[in-house]
Amino acid sequence: EPEVTQTPSHQVTQMGQEVILRCVPISNHLYFYWYRQILGQKVEFLVSFYNNEISEKSEIFDDQFSVERPDGSNFTLKIRSTKLEDSAMYFCASNRNTGELFFGEGSRLTVL
Amino acid sequence: GENVEQHPSTLSVQEGDSAVIKCTYSDSASNYFPWYKQELGKGPQLIIDIRSNVGEKKDQRIAVTLNKTAKHFSLHITETQPEDSAVYFCAASKMEYGNKLVFGAGTILRVKS
Repeated sequence: EPEVTQTPSHQVTQMGQEVILRCVPISNHLYFYWYRQILGQKVEFLVSFYNNEISEKSEIFDDQFSVERPDGSNFTLKIRSTKLEDSAMYFCASNRNTGELFFGEGSRLTVL
Repeated sequence: GENVEQHPSTLSVQEGDSAVIKCTYSDSASNYFPWYKQELGKGPQLIIDIRSNVGEKKDQRIAVTLNKTAKHFSLHITETQPEDSAVYFCAASKMEYGNKLVFGAGTILRVKS
């Protein structure tokens, strides 16, 4: 069964450092998303991406964040200068158009 | 924007009993309501979903009901089993140009054997 894969599973970084989280969405999907879940809290939408551009972003997704689809398979989330409050689980998701979102296993980011 | 409220935050039931989790949404334009199960250390997995043109949907021990007028929807799990223990999230979406989901806060379900 096709699945969304994410790397790394866990990353520890120092405050102020840049972090790149990587995702390989399901191959025939067209829409890609990043969500965030701070420990013990709800899953929050960050950004959606379609046709090589951002289609929607939340207030959380400020200038420190960027997304990119550098090739035909990867979808990345970059945090330019990490803050303590960026510590969370980051989930990548994808779908074909509308309907079920398929989530990856997540990348846990710990900012020290 | 859309806001989804979910209750209860925790729910303990005996194995074999039923569990009900309720959600309300604020945006009447939302038309897609999925339920996700999240096990420890894993990503959310869809267990059932319902669209606004349907009032009820059932899949084996799981059912979802939707009341568009009242803007609430519920997840029903019958004959609960220990492996049903997890965090359950409801979500709402307008299903335009993709499917941005707004999630509820989650319900920790514990099934005691």
